[in-house]
Amino acid sequence: NAGVTQTPKFRVLKTGQSMTLLCAQDMNHEYMYWYRQDPGMGLRLIHYSVGEGTTAKGEVPDGYNVSRLKKQNFLLGLESAAPSQTSVYFCASSWGYNEQFFGPGTRLTVL
Amino acid sequence: TQLLEQSPQFLSIQEGENLTVYCNSSSVFSSLQWYRQEPGEGPVLLVTVVTGGEVKKLKRLTFQFGDARKDSSLHITAAQPGDTGLYLCAGRGQAGTALIFGKGTTLSVSS
Repeated sequence: NAGVTQTPKFRVLKTGQSMTLLCAQDMNHEYMYWYRQDPGMGLRLIHYSVGEGTTAKGEVPDGYNVSRLKKQNFLLGLESAAPSQTSVYFCASSWGYNEQFFGPGTRLTVL
Repeated sequence: TQLLEQSPQFLSIQEGENLTVYCNSSSVFSSLQWYRQEPGEGPVLLVTVVTGGEVKKLKRLTFQFGDARKDSSLHITAAQPGDTGLYLCAGRGQAGTALIFGKGTTLSVSS
């Protein structure tokens, strides 16, 4: 099992560009999450999903959109990237609100 | 808004020393988890504590959940360089809510 995988691992964007981060899990988990991690800020929840076709806002949702069209995939979109969105993004999945399994992260830089 | 305060933020010690990391809140949590994150990787779950006063041991690591379920501690005995990493506590509030993460404690153990 690959667990939780994230694509891409690194990306550099210019202000105003758009991009989509892909998260895939092969553990048949219902719940999936997107976090951002910034120095000294810990992990902050952006959006999450409790099942296919459902999404909900987390602590810092502004500037991001998500979609969960398939149970195993959770997409995070940035429509118009801003320098404040420079961060490391982590995807996670879980059985209900239990142990979360994290992906390796995507390091995004917005110039 | 539920918050988790972790202390200290940074800890640099010598191999063989003991240390304690604290996770405090004014809110009650139904459960609390501790994760460890190594550079360039996602967090990995160490333990979940559920019952007030609960103590769990994982080799040289001892985790305790406060009687009132508002705080937790992680004690490491005879720290080793392999313990180096970011330690995150995460609490779950009312049933059906996502995890709230503390900002983390960065531990560096030198030989």
